[in-house]
Amino acid sequence: QLQLQESGPGLVKPSETLSLTCSVSGGSISSSSSYWGWIRQPPGKGLEWIGSIYYSGSTYYNPSLKSRVTISVDTSKNQFSLKLSSVTAADTAVYYCARRNTVDHNRIDYWGQGALVTVSS
Amino acid sequence: QPVLTQPPSSSASPGESARLTCTLPSDINVGSYNIYWYQQKPGSPPRYLLYCCSDSDKGQGSGVPSRFSGSKDASANAGFLLISGLQSEDEADYYCMIWPSNASGWVFGGGTKLTVL
Repeated sequence: QLQLQESGPGLVKPSETLSLTCSVSGGSISSSSSYWGWIRQPPGKGLEWIGSIYYSGSTYYNPSLKSRVTISVDTSKNQFSLKLSSVTAADTAVYYCARRNTVDHNRIDYWGQGALVTVSS
Repeated sequence: QPVLTQPPSSSASPGESARLTCTLPSDINVGSYNIYWYQQKPGSPPRYLLYCCSDSDKGQGSGVPSRFSGSKDASANAGFLLISGLQSEDEADYYCMIWPSNASGWVFGGGTKLTVL
């Protein structure tokens, strides 16, 4: 059973960089049938795709966040990471990592539990 | 603003049926995409329910009761999640999603809060 777990600071100051890591267990991040992504959810609001990455390093970003987002993968650690720069209070959200399964109708079948990140001084 | 439009709320009584709507913008043809449905309860990540529908397999999620089903209507350019025999445990937020391409990423609706009265 695949498991995803987000980790990182829960409090980030305005203008600084938010950094989160998603650790994957129970399967390989180098699976050819998996794309890995970050999704966020501001308190009381809906879901927003941030970006996705393939184990080869190919990345895809939400155009509205592209200038501030970097997603990377470390296959040796079975992890992928998110960096979001120049954060403001509007970036306060629960951040989820997730997997898209390309051999099962491209559905997002696994989600992390989510990590609440608050942007505040 | 979410690309996919969902009514913010819906309500129905136990035992009744609820149909949740996900309307696509006019420049995205519902017939070209699978529509995925997720259920989210407070404090938990979204849970995959099902997708609809490009073939006979509607991709019911593991453990998802058969009273959850999906459909699409080309004339309305919309997808629907039908929940029959509502139970109190069905009270949750429901999100629709499409995946047009890698570059477009995961496109979500704004979610519908379903209340089971």
